[in-house]
Parts: sequence; structure tokens; C-alpha cells
Amino acid sequence: DAGVIQSPRHEVTEMGQEVTLRCKPISGHNSLFWYRQTMMRGLELLIYFNNNVPIDDSGMPEDRFSAKMPNASFSTLKIQPSEPRDSAVYFCASQLAPSGANTGELFFGEGSRLTVL
Amino acid sequence: EDQVTQSPEALRLQEGESSSLNCSYTVSGLRGLFWYRQDPGKGPEFLFTLYSAGEEKEKERLKATLTKKESFLHITAPKPEDSATYLCAVQARNVGNNRKLIWGLGTSLAVNP
Repeated sequence: DAGVIQSPRHEVTEMGQEVTLRCKPISGHNSLFWYRQTMMRGLELLIYFNNNVPIDDSGMPEDRFSAKMPNASFSTLKIQPSEPRDSAVYFCASQLAPSGANTGELFFGEGSRLTVL
Repeated sequence: EDQVTQSPEALRLQEGESSSLNCSYTVSGLRGLFWYRQDPGKGPEFLFTLYSAGEEKEKERLKATLTKKESFLHITAPKPEDSATYLCAVQARNVGNNRKLIWGLGTSLAVNP
């Protein structure tokens, strides 16, 4: 299995530009999570989907952020317009719903490092 | 408010020098406590899940334990390849089917050869 695949790995953009981050979860996993990681705040959950449906988007900072999951194998996180304070590493993680012996561990991608100048 | 605090922030050990990392948590009913390892430039990688006080899990040189207020990650005779940031997260029981985790800031471990 290729694991969770994120793109791009690095993105440098200027303030005001639109940024789109992409994620392909592990096949068969039914939940997908978008996290943001910074030194000061650590890992913060932005939004998560269960069976392609957004369940909790309370962590989305503001209307500039939006996320979609059009099918079980693809999700996007969009920032429009981007601001310098959005600079962080954005992680996508997928999960098979916990049941029985399955602990529901999260499988993370390698992240997308975003720098907004 | 649900909260997770990890200590120390950073730890430097000599190869073979055993030690423990701490994760203190405040949550209104614990559903599960999770340990992850994160290498530089990578996403976190799952290590353990603990569900109730008194539970212990082991994997190679790592052992995780849980009490009602904290968890410890014991590292026995560490090797340089154990160098990483270790993250702790908790899931509260009182959030229905919401699988939101509260994360600590991590402990950065460096093991010198």
C-alpha cells in the first residue's frame, strides 16, 4: 500500500493567492482528517470526513478555508485568499473506523509545507 | 477544558541511557490515549493506544503506561534511531461519535551514540 499521498510537498506563494492542497487516503479507509501543525500550537484538527461527509469542521479557522471530499479517494483543502499566518505544515490522515481489534489509528501523509510570503 | 501537556519539551540521552516521557491530560472522561512518533519532515506514526488506567503496551524498547491523570512512555536502552518527536493525544468520551483528538506539543528526543 502506498500510504496516504499528499501534494504538493512544498508550496511557496504570495499573500492573497489561492492555495489548494490535495490528499489521497488509503484505499478502504472511511475517515479522512486535515490537520495543521505549527511549533506554537502543535497539531490542530481542521476538519474531518466520515464516508465523504464532513462531520466536524469546527477547527477551520475562518471562511478563507474550505475542504471537499468528492469521493472516497480524494480530498482537497483550499485557502483563498492566503495570508502569512497560514504558513504551516498541513497533514492529511486517513483512518479505518475503530471496531473490535482495530484501534482506529491514524495514518498520516508526509505533509504539505506551506509558506505564504 | 480538555488539555494535554507533555514534558519535557526536549530530552537528550546517551545511547543505552533509559528514561521516561510524560503526558499529563485533563479530559472529561477518557475514551483513549494515543502515542505517536514523528520524524523530521514526516507525518506522525502510530505507536500505541491505551484505554484504561493500569493498562500497559510494549513495542521493542518502548513501553507505554496509563494512570487516571497521565501516561508515561518509557524508553529502555535507547538507540540513536529512537531519536524523534513523541506525540501524545487523547480522545474524550463525551463527544459521541466525534473522533477528534486533543494533541500535546510533543517531546523532542535526541539519542547520542
